[in-house]
Amino acid sequence: SQQGEEDPQALSIQEGENATMNCSYKTSINNLQWYRQNSGRGLVHLILIRSNEREKHSGRLRVTLDTSKKSSSLLITASRAADTASYFCATVPVDSSYKLIFGSGTRLLVRP
Amino acid sequence: DADVTQTPRNRITKTGKRIMLECSQTKGHDRMYWYRQDPGLGLRLIYYSFDVKDINKGEISDGYSVSRQAQAKFSLSLESAIPNQTALYFCATSDSLTGYNEQFFGPGTRLTVL
Repeated sequence: SQQGEEDPQALSIQEGENATMNCSYKTSINNLQWYRQNSGRGLVHLILIRSNEREKHSGRLRVTLDTSKKSSSLLITASRAADTASYFCATVPVDSSYKLIFGSGTRLLVRP
Repeated sequence: DADVTQTPRNRITKTGKRIMLECSQTKGHDRMYWYRQDPGLGLRLIYYSFDVKDINKGEISDGYSVSRQAQAKFSLSLESAIPNQTALYFCATSDSLTGYNEQFFGPGTRLTVL
């Protein structure tokens, strides 16, 4: 069963605005990852945050992790039309480190 | 990820046919995975393999089988395809040495079962 749930399911913003996506999960994790999927294509790894980290940055991406609330957020700053895609969080459970459990994703549309 | 390739990219078949999807990787990773994705949903794990001759069932293995012929190749078979196996199928790899299970995905195979 899916562990991660993302919110919102869909997000439409204007180019230049920031986009924030949230992810909640249910069990203890080793790490949490965010992936991007362009329509009908494969998933691309964006960023990984370990369970003992609270915030991580990579270019225009900022990820936060709150293990007490079992939640994470992905912020994309100064969005571009090319950021239009689906974004998935995925968790690696502590007791099953080979697993990568995906949420249902957030569809982001960035309007030019 | 161009280092993970899948064939075919698209396939239309009929109920009851046997179908094989193939995955190859040049990343040198030991672990390989097969997932399926249905519209509006995340990915669900079908099978995974930690190395050649190591095969493990995932969340939704019924109706599927796999073969790890070499470290670089992992194929997925549908012995007798049915319409509810219509989906997007992804192969992925990871390196157990990193400890983080960051996975690298192929471009996907869109399978339609009529």
